[in-house]
Amino acid sequence: EDKVVQSPLSLVVHEGDTVTLNCSYEVTNFRSLLWYKQEKKAPTFLFMLTSSGIEKKSGRLSSILDKKELFSILNITATQTGDSAIYLCAVGGGADGLTFGKGTHLIIQP
Amino acid sequence: DGGITQSPKYLFRKEGQNVTLSCEQNLNHDAMYWYRQDPGQGLRLIYYSQIVNDFQKGDIAEGYSVSREKKESFPLTVTSAQKNPTAFYLCASKNTGGVNTGELFFGEGSRLTVL
Repeated sequence: EDKVVQSPLSLVVHEGDTVTLNCSYEVTNFRSLLWYKQEKKAPTFLFMLTSSGIEKKSGRLSSILDKKELFSILNITATQTGDSAIYLCAVGGGADGLTFGKGTHLIIQP
Repeated sequence: DGGITQSPKYLFRKEGQNVTLSCEQNLNHDAMYWYRQDPGQGLRLIYYSQIVNDFQKGDIAEGYSVSREKKESFPLTVTSAQKNPTAFYLCASKNTGGVNTGELFFGEGSRLTVL
């Protein structure tokens, strides 16, 4: 059974701090690892990672994948209150959708 | 604009009643999915369909049913057999042909509360 484990499950930091969210996985047929941000309703896509060691960046967010250690991290620098959300990690093994972790609930305090 | 539309956004139901959640997409995606989200549980796969007139059970299919009569539509019925139906339900679709990025596109969700 495919498995995705995120840590921490919740995190409270102050505005301006840097945070690192973790995602480890075990899947039988790895294709890609995806990060989503969920604020109130629909998750919104952040990154898709397929190759080890290649960092993806978008503004203050960045992510990298280690396929040997079966691990990915999502970094957010200079956090803002608008970064408060649930961050979901998901792994795709094929046409049967994605397997999601439980998410990290991130709260940024002013 | 292309996207996925779920309705209703909020729904209340009495115990013992079936309810159907609608999901329509105009992205021309072949694959469609239903997930359930509970607090602290992440998203869990209920059913998915890769092509019209075909669908497969996900990890938590018991008490649910689906149909896929049209490419654009993938309704989910929550039956009275579902023991804990109160949850947030998300429909998603994916492009499986051409450049398959693996990305799922989500609807805005339907929040079902059983009274």
